[in-house]
Amino acid sequence: AQSVTQPDIHITVSEGASLELRCNYSYGATPYLFWYVQSPGQGLQLLLKYFSGDTLVQGIKGFEAEFKRSQSSFNLRKPSVHWSDAAEYFCAVDGGGNKLVFGAGTILRVKS
Amino acid sequence: DTAVSQTPKYLVTQMGNDKSIKCEQNLGHDTMYWYKQDSKKFLKIMFSYNNKELIINETVPNRFSPKSPDKAHLNLHINSLELGDSAVYFCASSRKDRPYGYTFGSGTRLTVV
Repeated sequence: AQSVTQPDIHITVSEGASLELRCNYSYGATPYLFWYVQSPGQGLQLLLKYFSGDTLVQGIKGFEAEFKRSQSSFNLRKPSVHWSDAAEYFCAVDGGGNKLVFGAGTILRVKS
Repeated sequence: DTAVSQTPKYLVTQMGNDKSIKCEQNLGHDTMYWYKQDSKKFLKIMFSYNNKELIINETVPNRFSPKSPDKAHLNLHINSLELGDSAVYFCASSRKDRPYGYTFGSGTRLTVV
C-alpha cells in the first residue's frame, strides 16, 4: 500500500532563511506526488505536483520540490521564507485509483 | 468564482442527530471526493464518485452516506452522529483520466456535542 512519511512534525525557521520540508513515499511504480499547504482554518491549496519529466518542479509562492527516485523522496524547498508562509504543509501521493494518500503534515513556524 | 464550495462551513450538533454537508464544483471535473481530517490533522479519504458512480468507499461506517445527484455535486449525509465524528470534512474534485491535481473545498468543521 502507498504511504507517505513526513518526518518533521514541527519546523521553525527565521524569516528570510531557507526552508526544506522532507517527504518520503512508498510506492512501487512512478508516483504522482503533491505538496499542499493549509493555513489555519483554511482549506488545502496545491503548491506543486510531479508526474514525470524534470525532477525539479516549480510551484506557486516561490516553492520548489525535487523528486529523487533513489531516495523515494520529494522534499519541498524555498530559498527565503516569509512570515506568511507559516502554515501546515502536506505531502501526498496518488498511487492509483485517483486516491490521495497524505502524510501527517509538517507545521512551519516562522520567527522574525 | 469558487471552484469547490462546501456548505455549511461550521456545523455544531448534538449526538444522535442527522446532518448533511453539501458540495458543488464548477470545474467540470468528473470525480469528486470526501476526505476527513481528524483532530491530529490527519487526512484520509472516505469516498470518491466518478460521474455519479461510487468508486471508493474506505471502510466508512454506514451511518455516512454520500449522494451524487450529478457530477457537479457530492453531498454527505451522516446519521446518528457520534462524538467521534467531530472533524473537518473536505470535499475535493479532480479530472478522471489523469490526476492533474485535486482541488479542495475550504472544509466543513463538524462538532458533535
